[in-house]
Amino acid sequence: DGGITQSPKYLFRKEGQNVTLSCEQNLNHDAMYWYRQDPGQGLRLIYYSQIVNDFQKGDIAEGYSVSREKKESFPLTVTSAQKNPTAFYLCASSSVPGAQYFGPGTRLTVT
Amino acid sequence: GQQLNQSPQSMFIQEGEDVSMNCTSSSIFNTWLWYKQDPGEGPVLLIALYKAGELTSNGRLTAQFGITRKDSFLNISASIPSDVGIYFCAGQPPYNTDKLIFGTGTRLQVFP
Repeated sequence: DGGITQSPKYLFRKEGQNVTLSCEQNLNHDAMYWYRQDPGQGLRLIYYSQIVNDFQKGDIAEGYSVSREKKESFPLTVTSAQKNPTAFYLCASSSVPGAQYFGPGTRLTVT
Repeated sequence: GQQLNQSPQSMFIQEGEDVSMNCTSSSIFNTWLWYKQDPGEGPVLLIALYKAGELTSNGRLTAQFGITRKDSFLNISASIPSDVGIYFCAGQPPYNTDKLIFGTGTRLQVFP
């Protein structure tokens, strides 16, 4: 089955700990994205990558880091510097500028 | 970051009714997209529009790319309970084709 997978679905961490969210796609898409969604809100772009070994900051990159070592994978690390890390995190990919396809999301809770 | 103005914010309708929602911007877009998000899930792409004036249907859904390139609407005909969810519009600006700008969402509730 082709698609985007994110794991885990739910993640719990203690404050002060870094945590890495997984995103994998087998759609052969060049571009990948990370978004954050807060309750009742729209999507805000954290980081995106158009090509392997290259990525750009989105609108709310502070406190996050990413890597793009493989075309299929774009992990997101939520660092202890992120002041309000509890949120729903969505990964997306696209083959051409325009339509992005989303994974099922990871809900991160930090206490 | 920039966001699109999406309206209405929420809608409560009876099963069988038609629904209309729209998205507007002060600047032009190259592409308009419409997504549906169920609670706790990722958004699913419903319709993609690539040309000004384009009218595209997907089953009971119809969307149009406004002639001015600054707006788009989505219509749902004969709503059913599974249409419940949040509908987002998204636009691709000409100044940065790497990114999408998302609307704030329209929450749809359908009552039997």
